[in-house]
Amino acid sequence: AQSVTQLGSHVSVSEGALVLLRCNYSSSVPPYLFWYVQYPNQGLQLLLKYTTGATLVKGINGFEAEFKKSETSFHLTKPSAHMSDAAEYFCAVSENSGYSTLTFGKGTMLLVSP
Amino acid sequence: KAGVTQTPRYLIKTRGQQVTLSCSPISGHRSVSWYQQTPGQGLQFLFEYFSETQRNKGNFPGRFSGRQFSNSRSEMNVSTLELGDSALYLCASSLGQGPNNEQFFGPGTRLTVL
Repeated sequence: AQSVTQLGSHVSVSEGALVLLRCNYSSSVPPYLFWYVQYPNQGLQLLLKYTTGATLVKGINGFEAEFKKSETSFHLTKPSAHMSDAAEYFCAVSENSGYSTLTFGKGTMLLVSP
Repeated sequence: KAGVTQTPRYLIKTRGQQVTLSCSPISGHRSVSWYQQTPGQGLQFLFEYFSETQRNKGNFPGRFSGRQFSNSRSEMNVSTLELGDSALYLCASSLGQGPNNEQFFGPGTRLTVL
């Protein structure tokens, strides 16, 4: 069975600082990996995804993530945090099984202070 | 293009009642998935439908059921409501099945069971 672990339920950064949100996964087959963002009272929005090929994936709003198979990790980074980045972030995995089913981590709330 | 629509947005029910939630996918999308989001369990997969057929099901009791209509709209039903069913129910749609198809999430229906 696949699973996702996100280290840290809350991460606090100052505006302009580096953002690093950690995600580790377990999967019996090569996974598809995703990062979603959720703003208050809204649904989830896809930030970026890894399927195959280049292990460094660039997404929207300046975010990127690197797939490291040896570490089973898919950490999300952004060089400079903005106040508008404050939200909850979810890492998710999907096995290439023909289904769209996503297995999510517990989420990390990103807090950005001025 | 209109996004995924979920109705109602908010719902209050009492224990023992039943409830029906509705999801209208993005026009042209044929796959609809449902997720339950709670503070304790996070995001958990409920069902996945494609072309009116349930293709995958999460680990939820039989009180949770769903269906998809020929126009791809989907409903989920929860019977004999329990306090623990209080959650945000999210619907997601995609063009087709499989993780290569980006899932677009609706804003959710917040169900409160008293």
